[in-house]
Amino acid sequence: EVHLVESGGGLVKPGGSLRLSCVASGFTFTSYSMNWFRQAPGKGLEWVSLIDSRSTYLYYADSVKGRFTISRDNAKNSLYLQMNSLRAEDTAFYYCARDSIAWSRDYWGQGTLVTVSS
Amino acid sequence: QSALTQPPSASGSPGQSVTISCTGTSSDVGNYDYVSWYQHHPGKAPKLMIYEVSKRPSGVPDRFSGSKSGNTASLTVSGLQAEDEAYYHCSSYAGSNNLIFGGGTKLTVL
Repeated sequence: EVHLVESGGGLVKPGGSLRLSCVASGFTFTSYSMNWFRQAPGKGLEWVSLIDSRSTYLYYADSVKGRFTISRDNAKNSLYLQMNSLRAEDTAFYYCARDSIAWSRDYWGQGTLVTVSS
Repeated sequence: QSALTQPPSASGSPGQSVTISCTGTSSDVGNYDYVSWYQHHPGKAPKLMIYEVSKRPSGVPDRFSGSKSGNTASLTVSGLQAEDEAYYHCSSYAGSNNLIFGGGTKLTVL
């Protein structure tokens, strides 16, 4: 059974940094591109970043470009999101999700909450 | 404001059918058959219910169906059950590696 478990969320001051992790199990991690999404309070889902299976191609939403960095460690079945220069508007639940066909994402984690506040 | 427009709420009684709309533009929903729908119970992992407008992943009941007409996609839940009460999010490919979402619809089973 596919499982994705995020961790690393918490309370951070504006301008601060945080590193999120997502541990995958139940599938061949090295065969899939992976994503980060987020959902701010009262808002819809927002795609944040994507990394291909070999870390060759990295893509970011304009809202986080230059501040967030996606990475993965295939030996550890793990996906990461390094978040720097955090802003209040980055406050959200962050989810990792596995890439699937036709621009869908077939498995998601339960999310980790990031709160940016002074 | 989300890129795709969904009604904030929808409701129906057990056994009834309900349809949730997702309206975009000719640059996204109207231009690509890459519309997906996700079910999300708060505190749990979102679940893919429909992809490529109308295809169901393995394990998703056939009570869930998707369609598209012009710039509007729709999710229909037939034979409503209590466990269908959740938030439903639509997404569409919008070109240039851009994936956009609606604001989500809270489905209430009365």
